[in-house]
Amino acid sequence: ETVLTQSPGTLSLSPGERATLSCRASQSVSTSYLAWFQQKPGQPPRLLIYGASSRATGVPDRFSGSGSGTDFTLTINRLEPEDFAVYYCQQYGASSWTFGQGTKVEIK
Amino acid sequence: EVQLVESGGGLVQPGGSLRLSCAASGFTFNSYTMHWVRQAPGRGLEHVAAITSFGDNTYYRTSVKGRFTISRDNSNNMLYLQMGSLRAEDKAVYYCARARVATFDFWGQGAQVTVSS
Repeated sequence: ETVLTQSPGTLSLSPGERATLSCRASQSVSTSYLAWFQQKPGQPPRLLIYGASSRATGVPDRFSGSGSGTDFTLTINRLEPEDFAVYYCQQYGASSWTFGQGTKVEIK
Repeated sequence: EVQLVESGGGLVQPGGSLRLSCAASGFTFNSYTMHWVRQAPGRGLEHVAAITSFGDNTYYRTSVKGRFTISRDNSNNMLYLQMGSLRAEDKAVYYCARARVATFDFWGQGAQVTVSS
């Protein structure tokens, strides 16, 4: 099973700043099978990015994904108040779906 | 509009059983693989089970194999998770989710499962 490790655990930033979130895999992940989710308290996760860099429907273009192999990044440009949440990366491989432990983006 | 609505959650004693249901609408249900994903209190996300569009293939995480069964009724657009031999560590919010190329594009609001004596 591929383990995903996200860093940092918590990111304290101000609105308008850029957030850079990291997701490292224990083995190589196909770029087609790497996704990012946003979750707010009391809500289900929301798909933001699939295929490592493709935005899901309705996701603002301030969200972008990049990376390949074992290192992937989610970047949020110009943080808006509604972007403060927990973010998870997720991968698929060999009939197994795994998630990272999450990065909390909080208001500084 | 895609909608997934879970039901059937509740409090069950250790060793007990529970069946979760997920009512799907707004899309062609029998065209999609469907999943159950859970989230323990204050914890991250954990994939539980998956079933292909016609139910011919199923997948389970190791810790639930032999205890949980995923199934579907395409004629009624329903997804199920039969859970048995429940343990304290199965306590979580259980989400049904629609598959999209190895990820999950729509999620229900979740059903709370509590395992306690």
